[in-house]
Amino acid sequence: AQKITQTQPGMFVQEKEAVTLDCTYDTSDPSYGLFWYKQPSSGEMIFLIYQGSYDQQNATEGRYSLNFQKARKSANLVISASQLGDSAMYFCAMRAARGQNFVFGPGTRLSVLP
Amino acid sequence: EAGVAQSPRYKIIEKRQSVAFWCNPISGHATLYWYQQILGQGPKLLIQFQNNGVVDDSQLPKDRFSAERLKGVDSTLKIQPAKLEDSAVYLCASSLVSIAGGSTDTQYFGPGTRLTVL
Repeated sequence: AQKITQTQPGMFVQEKEAVTLDCTYDTSDPSYGLFWYKQPSSGEMIFLIYQGSYDQQNATEGRYSLNFQKARKSANLVISASQLGDSAMYFCAMRAARGQNFVFGPGTRLSVLP
Repeated sequence: EAGVAQSPRYKIIEKRQSVAFWCNPISGHATLYWYQQILGQGPKLLIQFQNNGVVDDSQLPKDRFSAERLKGVDSTLKIQPAKLEDSAVYLCASSLVSIAGGSTDTQYFGPGTRLTVL
């Protein structure tokens, strides 16, 4: 069975600094995809970044990058130059290639301080 | 490109009443998902459609929840009768690639419907 663990219920970061949000996963499938979503207080889930299990390079999207360590089964999200608008819940999610459910972690609440 | 549309955005009902939520996915997206997100938790998949067929409804409480996607486009999720524990945000998402496409199909979410059962 698939499982996502996010061990940080809440994180604080100073504006303009970088922050890393942790995500570890568990699956027996060799082919899988990892996703990060942002959920502001408005409630909408916003897709941020995707990493495939066979991708050779870490994914990057603007200020977001994914620190993918396959052997450790971790897929940490790095946000550079934090902005006040980054304050939100962040969810790590995974789907294995064999048609299993899209599984979300419990989330990390990020607060950016001015 | 228009995103996933959901209505209503908010709904307050009393227990034992019925409620229905509507979702219109991104144009051309074959797969549609309904999630339940209880406060403080990650979303939990309720049901997944591929076009107008059900792919996975293993976590749908079928004694009270039902969903349909008759023409393979928009979808309706119904709760009848509602219980207090159904208070949650109901999220609809869609993806372009079919489930057979594997792990790469990114899901795009609508704004959600916040349900309060009194």
